[in-house]
Amino acid sequence: QVQLVQSGAEVKKPGASVKVSCKASGYTFTGYGISWVRQAPGQGPEWMGWISGYTGDTKYAQKFQDRLTMTTDPSTSTAYLELRSLRSDDTAMYYCARDQYNWNDPLEYWGRGTLVTVSS
Amino acid sequence: QLVLTQSPSASASLGASVNLTCTLSRDFSTYAIAWHQKQPEKGPRYLMKLNSDGSHNSGDGIPDRFSGSSFGAERYLTISSLQTEDEADYFCQAWGTGIQVFGGGTRLTVL
Repeated sequence: QVQLVQSGAEVKKPGASVKVSCKASGYTFTGYGISWVRQAPGQGPEWMGWISGYTGDTKYAQKFQDRLTMTTDPSTSTAYLELRSLRSDDTAMYYCARDQYNWNDPLEYWGRGTLVTVSS
Repeated sequence: QLVLTQSPSASASLGASVNLTCTLSRDFSTYAIAWHQKQPEKGPRYLMKLNSDGSHNSGDGIPDRFSGSSFGAERYLTISSLQTEDEADYFCQAWGTGIQVFGGGTRLTVL
């Protein structure tokens, strides 16, 4: 079965960077894209960006363009999210999720989330 | 601008039915959406893709108690025969040119 296993919780200071991993199994990694979605306490989900598992092409939400990098390592079926210049309002649960078929489709499989806390 | 609007909360009694609504912004009233469920301490779970004509395709293992319908810009999730485990957050998702958008979510309480 499809599984997305995310790395553990992180605590960072303002201005630092965080890198979250998402290891996929149960399907051909290069056949699907991965989106990253975050949810801050008391707020709705927020899409951050998408990366193709085949080409590595990315689409980023405009508000994160300057400090977000998404990458993949097809050899280990792992996707990564790196967010730089962290602020307190980046405190949130970060989820990876796989396309159902391609970019213009629902997110069908989700990871359990990685809690990132930004605090001085 | 593609925007999805949901009521923050809803409640219904055990064994009853409930309708949750996701409203698309006016210029995007023909768009399909997806419904997802977020239970406490779990990752989100894909429920279904819901098209503008009301047809829907459910995710693997989703009970028939979960169904969808559409009217204009509104997309509905109906949960029948409510069970305690249905108490969760429900959010909708849509996709456009180069973006994905989520509704703010509805917290469902089962009384």
